Amino acid sequence: SYVLTQPPSVSVAPGQTARITCGGNNIGSKSVHWYQQRPGQAPVLVVYDDTNRPSGIPERFSGSESGNTATLTITRVVAGDEADYYCQVWDITSDHGVFGGGTKLTVL
Amino acid sequence: EVQLWESGGGLVQPGGSLRLSCAASGFTFSTYAMSWVRQAPGKGLEWVSAISGSGGTTYYADSVKGRFTISRDNSKNTVSMQMNSLRVEDTAVYYCAKAGKWFGDSKVFDYWGQGTLVTVSS
Repeated sequence: SYVLTQPPSVSVAPGQTARITCGGNNIGSKSVHWYQQRPGQAPVLVVYDDTNRPSGIPERFSGSESGNTATLTITRVVAGDEADYYCQVWDITSDHGVFGGGTKLTVL
Repeated sequence: EVQLWESGGGLVQPGGSLRLSCAASGFTFSTYAMSWVRQAPGKGLEWVSAISGSGGTTYYADSVKGRFTISRDNSKNTVSMQMNSLRVEDTAVYYCAKAGKWFGDSKVFDYWGQGTLVTVSS
């Protein structure tokens, strides 16, 4: 089965840039989506199809891909960005949804 | 405004059954696939099941195939999941999620409910 690998945690100071990675075999050929989950809340879609932002999501959130890694970049980080972030793809071979293990973003 | 409201969670013994429901509003329900995603206490998200807009195609994670059954009633804007032979490891918050795009490998969940807790314990 397809596996997505994320670092368990990332820390960044307010105003700095956070980069959260998501690794997977040939991930560049897949559509990658990113979700933010604040403590005690439901997930929220922040990036879809690698680089697109849903309406209402700040421009500070962006997605990119290179090689076997997808990256969620959050610029000018604020305290409210502190949350768990998950990448997700659909594995067409198994017809299963797949989530990464999640990355806890801590704003120092 | 898209709204999703889950119900049906609770405490059940191992081997027991439970039926979750999700009521949807704010969009043309029959046009969109729907999905269930769960989150065990303190753990990450796990995709469980999905169903196409017409209900004609269903998808299941290996961990629940043969035990869970997803269905939908487009006349009532609801999606349900019958969960049988429940195990301790099925304990989780179960989220109902609306699909955005749903073709090829571009399948994404653009709106989520607040979740309902299922606890499997003796």
